[in-house]
Amino acid sequence: QKEVEQDPGPLSVPEGAIVSLNCTYSNSAFQYFMWYRQYSRKGPELLMYTYSSGNKEDGRFTAQVDKSSKYISLFIRDSQPSDSATYLCAMSAPTGNQFYFGTGTSLTVIP
Amino acid sequence: AAGVIQSPRHLIKEKRETATLKCYPIPRHDTVYWYQQGPGQDPQFLISFYEKMQSDKGSIPDRFSAQQFSDYHSELNMSSLELGDSALYFCASSLVDSLGSRLHFGNGTRLTVT
Repeated sequence: QKEVEQDPGPLSVPEGAIVSLNCTYSNSAFQYFMWYRQYSRKGPELLMYTYSSGNKEDGRFTAQVDKSSKYISLFIRDSQPSDSATYLCAMSAPTGNQFYFGTGTSLTVIP
Repeated sequence: AAGVIQSPRHLIKEKRETATLKCYPIPRHDTVYWYQQGPGQDPQFLISFYEKMQSDKGSIPDRFSAQQFSDYHSELNMSSLELGDSALYFCASSLVDSLGSRLHFGNGTRLTVT
């Protein structure tokens, strides 16, 4: 079993919809949580970064971490066609310098 | 802001040939990582360096080796290439600060082995 589980999708939504992307994990030592956006043939781009539990908002994007449930989410409001990409969650622990990735969710926003 | 720079962007090699991929991390980042990503897969960790010393090893084949130089750039050397080595290879760098540590990726090298 992978340390980080993510529904690969694909997910297809109409423009303007609210998108919810989720990951679960098993290692309670994880403290740092990241969401990356990856366009085709490009490197993953750091989108959101959260430390420990709580919410973080940046424009149309909101990252949530629920450590008690070992569950993280990324919400995209007013989704745009330019949001069409693969979204990867990643996490790490304070000790060591390894990062653990989900398999990525492919999102398509239809105009 | 400066990003992670990788070269070449594309590389085509034949089976049993060798390939060298280069990475220039973000200035002042102290850790460099190499990842391999197949189609539709998440990045698979290969190897990392902290302050020019190998720090962690993942699923890197024995045919591959890597090093980090005094100017902090890193190279991934791949020998006896196999068809299955065709993938995107990403370099990433990170710096631990008061907010923790987060990876910044380059745009990758697409390796095709024929």
